[in-house]
Amino acid sequence: DSGVTQTPKHLITATGQRVTLRCSPRSGDLSVYWYQQSLDQGLQFLIQYYNGEERAKGNILERFSAQQFPDLHSELNLSSLELGDSALYFCASSEGDRSNEKLFFGSGTQLSVL
Amino acid sequence: AQSVTQLDSQVPVFEEAPVELRCNYSSSVSVYLFWYVQYPNQGLQLLLKYLSGSTLVKGINGFEAEFNKSQTSFHLRKPSVHISDTAEYFCAVSDPLNYGGSQGNLIFGKGTKLSVKP
Repeated sequence: DSGVTQTPKHLITATGQRVTLRCSPRSGDLSVYWYQQSLDQGLQFLIQYYNGEERAKGNILERFSAQQFPDLHSELNLSSLELGDSALYFCASSEGDRSNEKLFFGSGTQLSVL
Repeated sequence: AQSVTQLDSQVPVFEEAPVELRCNYSSSVSVYLFWYVQYPNQGLQLLLKYLSGSTLVKGINGFEAEFNKSQTSFHLRKPSVHISDTAEYFCAVSDPLNYGGSQGNLIFGKGTKLSVKP
């Protein structure tokens, strides 16, 4: 158990809808990262938050947004969903924001857009 | 910009045989290097990492990797694999001096699926 909790584990929705994925980092970790994993694109970095503030931004679509709350949990909001958004979404956390730190990954949310 | 290439997308191997999963990176600066493993239906977990010092790094579950700066490689090895090693393995690189960039702290390769057969 990595200590990172992601909910829900599975999500099935229709095109055009909006969903929210939730992540609780390990106790004490200040950084939260979101990744999208798909068969064709592999593991894609979306966004990182550190202690409530956006720290780095990757290939995140404008239809997607995220935030980190004062209790350090994070939410990833996906709107106007398309079939191509179907993927496994991972959250990871680390103690700080340095590049030599170990990332702890949650088990992921499997999103299916029908 | 940094990048990571995992040369084999799939590696089938028999139980108790040795295995090497190849990883090459491109970077103009010194780097940190990592191997993560993803077991079926789970998130990724760290196997080992190279930050500095000895180029031979030992990780969990009997895995080791060797950093070769001249060949810009960080291949993962295990002398004798088990059925339980069946998983997807990801090589990753980060820049000690430039984090928070558009690729995030860690740049992952596309993964190598290791399939251990009895």
